[in-house]
Amino acid sequence: EIVLTQSPATLSLSPGERATLSCRASQSVSSYLAWYQQKPGQAPRLLIYDASNRATGVPARFSGGGSGTDFTLTISSLEPEDSAVYYCQQRSYWKTFGQGTKLEIK
Amino acid sequence: EVQLVESGGGSVQPGGSLRLSCSISGFTFSSYWMGWVRQAPGKGLEWVANMNQDGSKKYHGDSVKGRFTISRDNAKNSLDLQMNSLRAEDTAVYYCARDNDYFDHWGQGALVTVSS
Repeated sequence: EIVLTQSPATLSLSPGERATLSCRASQSVSSYLAWYQQKPGQAPRLLIYDASNRATGVPARFSGGGSGTDFTLTISSLEPEDSAVYYCQQRSYWKTFGQGTKLEIK
Repeated sequence: EVQLVESGGGSVQPGGSLRLSCSISGFTFSSYWMGWVRQAPGKGLEWVANMNQDGSKKYHGDSVKGRFTISRDNAKNSLDLQMNSLRAEDTAVYYCARDNDYFDHWGQGALVTVSS
């Protein structure tokens, strides 16, 4: 099983700041990695697929990067509505998710 | 508009069975892999099962293998998850999702509670 480790567990930032979330895979997943956003009481929403491609309707302030074992999700200028838990997910070998990073907007 | 609507959730005793259904509209159901993902209370996401367009390939996660079975009816645009021998650790919200390599559309979720 490919284990995805996300860091930090919690991130607290102010509106307008830049957020950088990390996801590390226990073995290479090439570029087969996605990021999801989940707000309380809602289903997850796909943000980024294949490491760096924005899903339909996702604002340009969200960007993804990385390959192999190290990946990042960057939110360039935080909005209050970006408060959520963010998960990474790989599809290289079966499908597994990271444990999530909770992003709080001050 | 893409819509996925789960039904069939509820409370069941350990060892019991439950069948979840997901009704799909807004896209050509028979053209896509489909899957189930669950989330235990206050926890992260876990892939449960998925299957291909015609149902000839189906895969289940290790934690549910031999107890859960995914199935689909393309004529009815529906996806099911039969859950047998339920355990307390199966308590979760179960999401039906379109598996387009990644899960690009999700239902609102169905809560399954396994407790005596």
